[in-house]
Parts: sequence; C-alpha cells; structure tokens
Amino acid sequence: AQSVSQHNHHVILSEAASLELGCNYSYGGTVNLFWYVQYPGQHLQLLLKYFSGDPLVKGIKGFEAEFIKSKFSFNLRKPSVQWSDTAEYFCAVDPSNDYKLSFGAGTTVTVRA
Amino acid sequence: DAGVIQSPRHEVTEMGQEVTLRCKPISGHNSLFWYRQTMMRGLELLIYFNNNVPIDDSGMPEDRFSAKMPNASFSTLKIQPSEPRDSAVYFCASSSYLDTDTQYFGPGTRLTVL
Repeated sequence: AQSVSQHNHHVILSEAASLELGCNYSYGGTVNLFWYVQYPGQHLQLLLKYFSGDPLVKGIKGFEAEFIKSKFSFNLRKPSVQWSDTAEYFCAVDPSNDYKLSFGAGTTVTVRA
Repeated sequence: DAGVIQSPRHEVTEMGQEVTLRCKPISGHNSLFWYRQTMMRGLELLIYFNNNVPIDDSGMPEDRFSAKMPNASFSTLKIQPSEPRDSAVYFCASSSYLDTDTQYFGPGTRLTVL
C-alpha cells in the first residue's frame, strides 16, 4: 500500500544539537510535500511545504527540508534545536494534488535543556 | 482571526450513545477536512468538503459515521451509535481557495467512548 514513513518514533536531543527527521513516501509521480508540527497542547501547524522548484525548502522557526526525488524522501532538519522545539512532527504527502493529505505516524522530539 | 474552532474539546460518552462533534472553519475558507488521530493508525482523513459539498468520504470508517456541512461556517461529524474503538482525537481543518495546499487545523476534540 502507498504510504508515508517516518523513521524515528521518538528522538531525544540536547539543546543546540542538530536535528534531522526522516520521511519517505511510496507514491509515484508528482507529489506535494509538507511538514507539520504539533506543540504540546496545541494544534497542528504548517512548518513548511514543497511543490516544485528548489528542492531545499526553508520554513518557519529555522527549519528546512530537502526533497530528494530519487530517494522519495523529504527530510526535515534544524541545525541547532531549542527546548521550545519539543513537539511532535508529522510528514504529509498530497499524492494527487487534490488536497487529500496522507500523514506519517509522527516523530516525537524531546529537547532537553 | 480566531482560527478553526472545534467543540467540544473533550467528550466522554458511553458505548451506544450518539456523539456530535462541531467545527467552525476560518472565515472565507472554502474547504473543510475532518481527520481522526489514533495511536494505532495515526492521522487519517475521514472526509472533506469543498464549497459545502462532500467531495470524498472514502475515509469514513463505516455507516455509523456521518458528516454534514449545512453552510460555509459550520460542519458536524456524527457517530451513532458510538463504540469504544471510536475513541480518538478528531481534528477539523480548513483551507482557502487562495492557498489550497495549506490546511489550518483546529485544536481537536478528544473523544472517549466507555
């Protein structure tokens, strides 16, 4: 079945460490890609999105993601995390450009002060 | 802007009871989505509306679930009768025709069916 895979279920980091979260998808053709974040007690918010063009996408709060078409991947990165980055991160794919998002299982990121 | 509003935020009910979840999308948005989040299955799209019309309800788990959007500012998701396996967080999201690819999520309704 077509899917979105997030490799890590839970990541624990110290402040100032670098973060990379993996996301792979199995849909063929042109896809739209998203990363959403859910801070504790808050609703899902869009971090960044990719539709076309430069495969390195910059989002809010210092996050960026790189689309590698040959690897069907869209990994999220942040060079130096803060305690406030503690949250759950979801990768999502719109495989048909019809606004129906398929979400990965999510990765919980805990940043220790 | 108030964002997407959902009510109630928490609902505890007994098996067999009818449950109605409510959503008010962001004013001016023309698409509305209902999602369910569980530990086992993650975030799943249940149904989405465009201009108040249901476009795709293939994610609705079974006939016990129904959704309506009587106008541009209100939608309901109803479960009748409810079962313990329906326990989940239900999210509503909306998007605008000006930025169709960005969905704005509500805070969710945490449903517990005993």
